[in-house]
Amino acid sequence: EDQVTQSPEALRLQEGESSSLNCSYTVSGLRGLFWYRQDPGKGPEFLFTLYSAGEEKEKERLKATLTKKESFLHITAPKPEDSATYLCAAIRTGNQFYFGTGTSLTVIP
Amino acid sequence: DTGVSQDPRHKITKRGQNVTFRCDPISEHNRLYWYRQTLGQGPEFLTYFQNEAQLEKSRLLSDRFSAERPKGSFSTLEIQRTEQGDSAMYLCASSFSPGTGGAGDNEQFFGPGTRLTVL
Repeated sequence: EDQVTQSPEALRLQEGESSSLNCSYTVSGLRGLFWYRQDPGKGPEFLFTLYSAGEEKEKERLKATLTKKESFLHITAPKPEDSATYLCAAIRTGNQFYFGTGTSLTVIP
Repeated sequence: DTGVSQDPRHKITKRGQNVTFRCDPISEHNRLYWYRQTLGQGPEFLTYFQNEAQLEKSRLLSDRFSAERPKGSFSTLEIQRTEQGDSAMYLCASSFSPGTGGAGDNEQFFGPGTRLTVL
């Protein structure tokens, strides 16, 4: 069964304390792996797309990487404004997206 | 504002009533997706359109749910005979697919969602 699993469910960091979020997937015919940020009461906001193992993408304090079984979202020196839920999603052939349940990140000043 | 818009933002209805939601995608986007999200969960795929054609529906989508995109622009999602379990945030997203399968293909932009409460 196609599935995306994220860990941890929740993460509390001190401002400046770097960490990584994990997204493991079992999706047949994977076409891409996406990362989104979601603030409470809002729709997800696109961050990155990764298409092949070994690929990396960066944006400000965020860096996403992809292997054949999982993806990581590395957060370097986070700030309170990085607090949000981070979602990953895998797309397989047929254009159906599978989202994980997200990691709720809280950055404490 | 050139983003994805959804209407209404909130809807409260009684069990058994029908409801309809509207989504206006980004104007040049040819793909439109509907998702459902409950508290603490990720978005759950419901269906998607390429232009006016509905190309895929989740097997979880009961026959009480129907979606249309008549002119390949805005879309509506109707839920008939609502049940309390239908209470959720309904999200719409759009994307542009040039058909090359390369970078930029399938990057989705989400609307703010419609929060449905069934009493």
